[in-house]
Amino acid sequence: DTAVSQTPKYLVTQMGNDKSIKCEQNLGHDTMYWYKQDSKKFLKIMFSYNNKELIINETVPNRFSPKSPDKAHLNLHINSLELGDSAVYFCASSQDRGLEQFFGPGTRLTVL
Amino acid sequence: AQKITQTQPGMFVQEKEAVTLDCTYDTSDPSYGLFWYKQPSSGEMIFLIYQGSYDQQNATEGRYSLNFQKARKSANLVISASQLGDSAMYFCAMREGQIGGFKTIFGAGTRLFVKA
Repeated sequence: DTAVSQTPKYLVTQMGNDKSIKCEQNLGHDTMYWYKQDSKKFLKIMFSYNNKELIINETVPNRFSPKSPDKAHLNLHINSLELGDSAVYFCASSQDRGLEQFFGPGTRLTVL
Repeated sequence: AQKITQTQPGMFVQEKEAVTLDCTYDTSDPSYGLFWYKQPSSGEMIFLIYQGSYDQQNATEGRYSLNFQKARKSANLVISASQLGDSAMYFCAMREGQIGGFKTIFGAGTRLFVKA
């Protein structure tokens, strides 16, 4: 009965590879988000989707491509991984675009 | 310029005492929301409390209360009767914008250590 789930929890990969992180929420929320938390714990929004439509795209390299097949899923695909992509990536969802967000457990990405 | 400022990188508090974590914000929107989240060492982000800009009363949730001073643009979190399990990172966040473009911005966080 996990509210927001992410897979995988850990991801270790080589520079230049392409990888995906999956996110699913079973809360019936209409808005989902991706955040990046760097090594200094700074949390920054990357993308926001409302009803499968992209509504926020921060200045994220276009190597990052979110995909929302339906309201309950927001996956993150990353091409040509770089060392600086190493971080914890959090998925979150909310009922309304501005209200309390429920976070997934995070995916720790390490690029070697 | 920082939109959300948390000036205390680390704080210590004795178990059972109260502690205040500072947060100031900067926005020109008349309608905004303020949040506090807790991140324990296990890494998950846990919502604690919310204050809307038009709310007349300070928000409270159990041992958590938000000291909202609108004119000073501050939204400090007060934790009463600290417990060892309160040791964690605490993030202040602000939602601003209009429908179709809401954005939530997080502060740099304050690490709280509760001493036995």
